[in-house]
Amino acid sequence: DIQLTQSPSFLSASVGDRVTITCRASQDINIYLAWYQQKPGKAPRLLIYAAYRLQSGVPSRFSGSGSGTEFTLTITSLQPEDFATYYCQELSNYHPTFGGGTKVEIK
Amino acid sequence: QGQLVESGGGMVQPGESLKLSCAASDFTFRTSGMHWVRQAPGKGLEWVAFIAHDGINKYYGDSVRGRFTISRDNFNNTLYVQMNSLRAEDSAVYYCVKDLGYGGHWYFDLWGRGSLVTVSS
Repeated sequence: DIQLTQSPSFLSASVGDRVTITCRASQDINIYLAWYQQKPGKAPRLLIYAAYRLQSGVPSRFSGSGSGTEFTLTITSLQPEDFATYYCQELSNYHPTFGGGTKVEIK
Repeated sequence: QGQLVESGGGMVQPGESLKLSCAASDFTFRTSGMHWVRQAPGKGLEWVAFIAHDGINKYYGDSVRGRFTISRDNFNNTLYVQMNSLRAEDSAVYYCVKDLGYGGHWYFDLWGRGSLVTVSS
């Protein structure tokens, strides 16, 4: 199975900050990676798919990049509603897996 | 955009069975691949199972294969998962999830609110 390692696992930031979260895959997964946002008590929300494609309705301050084994999620100007946990997900071999999550909290 | 509403969760004892349902609305269910994804309390996300739009192809995670069965009713726009031989480690919120349908690649673009399953003696 492919393992996804997110870093950092915890991040403290202020409104307006630029935030970058990294997801590393244990094998080459091309661009087959997605990012999700989850707020406490809520279901996850798809933000980015195919590494860089912005899901409909997601603000443009969110962006994704990378290919192969290293990927990033960037939030250009953190807003109050962005404080949440973020997960990456790969989809190889009909056995999708998620990263361990990155919790973004208010500094 | 669509809506998914899960039901059927609850508390059961180890070894017992439970069947979750998911009612879909406001999108074309019969053409959508569907998944179940779960999240243990305070933990991360784990994919459980997938069923193709026509119900023919099904895939399962290693931890549930042989115990869980995913199915669907396209006439009534409903997704199911039958969970047998439940274990304490199956305790989680179970999400019904729609597949984005992007070139056969599995991305999860619509999620239900979840149904809590607790397995405890």
